[in-house]
Amino acid sequence: DGGITQSPKYLFRKEGQNVTLSCEQNLNHDAMYWYRQDPGQGLRLIYYSQIVNDFQKGDIAEGYSVSREKKESFPLTVTSAQKNPTAFYLCASTRPGTGFYGYTFGSGTRLTVV
Amino acid sequence: DAKTTQPPSMDCAEGRAANLPCNHSTISGNEYVYWYRQIHSQGPQYIIHGLKNNETNEMASLIITEDRKSSTLILPHATLRDTAVYYCIVRGTASKLTFGTGTRLQVTL
Repeated sequence: DGGITQSPKYLFRKEGQNVTLSCEQNLNHDAMYWYRQDPGQGLRLIYYSQIVNDFQKGDIAEGYSVSREKKESFPLTVTSAQKNPTAFYLCASTRPGTGFYGYTFGSGTRLTVV
Repeated sequence: DAKTTQPPSMDCAEGRAANLPCNHSTISGNEYVYWYRQIHSQGPQYIIHGLKNNETNEMASLIITEDRKSSTLILPHATLRDTAVYYCIVRGTASKLTFGTGTRLQVTL
């Protein structure tokens, strides 16, 4: 079955370390997104990519970086510059453009700074 | 991108209809309205979408006003498992998903 796989489910990071969250999809979707969710809050857009080798900053991109070398993959790196990285991270994908194209979400990665 | 406004929380008795409103007064003519829900610490789940006409599927109904400035998601017979945060989303430019604050629906016995 097609879907989005996020790994790991739980991730612990020491302060000052960079960590990379994986997001892989086999839906042949062009567009992919990374969101951050803090406890009791909604989802905030970090980065998004509409095509391979292209991506744009979302609303809270500072301290994060992404790459899109393959259509299927959109990894997110949380750098040491991110002051408060502890959060729940969600990856999503869809076909681009207006009109109805369903969005698929991964099951998320919970990152904790220790 | 059109923004959405939802009440922060609502309660509903089990078995009754839950009516969740959403305001999207700046929506443009070709933008769809989507509804998703998120159960604690899981990825959001698609519920329903619409453009102009009312829509119904096995999960819910979506009522969109004629001027398209607001919509209502209806869960006809709410159960305890429907307790979740419900997001009303308008698909904006560049396919971005812009999430509002959502409505926390609490279904009670």
